[in-house]
Amino acid sequence: GAGVSQSPRYKVAKRGQDVALRCDPISGHVSLFWYQQALGQGPEFLTYFQNEAQLDKSGLPSDRFFAERPEGSVSTLKIQRTQQEDSAVYLCASSSLGVREKLFFGSGTQLSVL
Amino acid sequence: AQKITQTQPGMFVQEKEAVTLDCTYDTSDQSYGLFWYKQPSSGEMIFLIYQGSYDEQNATEGRYSLNFQKARKSANLVISASQLGDSAMYFCAMRERDAGNMLTFGGGTRLMVKP
Repeated sequence: GAGVSQSPRYKVAKRGQDVALRCDPISGHVSLFWYQQALGQGPEFLTYFQNEAQLDKSGLPSDRFFAERPEGSVSTLKIQRTQQEDSAVYLCASSSLGVREKLFFGSGTQLSVL
Repeated sequence: AQKITQTQPGMFVQEKEAVTLDCTYDTSDQSYGLFWYKQPSSGEMIFLIYQGSYDEQNATEGRYSLNFQKARKSANLVISASQLGDSAMYFCAMRERDAGNMLTFGGGTRLMVKP
């Protein structure tokens, strides 16, 4: 499809499990963002890629969170040893480069840690 | 300091009336973009309108307009002729050149349209 695709749509994990969330951006989009959104709140920035380079990872809450985009297209957000506080919707967005460029969002992955 | 502040957690508006959703921002960058997104209960983020820091005219997109007051650092969204389908969360966001084009969101306003 032409939009940003995220998988899985829903993920239930037991506390302590590792999870991997995938994002397929729009083809040709240089910028890729990951956000975490808690229920009823605005998206919180996690990390940002320009092509394969991770330019900003200041929003990653702990060293259990890791993101990569090895070939400058598909990105994976990995969470190790999940905790209950990791439960949230994880949004991926992509865009062309520049402050005028709007972000296109995927439908998100809803992660529930039990 | 918060980059983007939305002071109205929730708003009610009567169907067919206009409503203004407030947004103030904080930046020292000269080149930035301001965006509004709508997020219905389905969870998707829908782009509504964009305003550039160098744009002299207020942006308009159909029933949406942006009241941009650069000196006051405000970028309020005006929705005219509200419809029931406008009930959703609305997020103001800013993209700054000097921050590597990162997009930062406000906390959102929940708009509820009454029939």
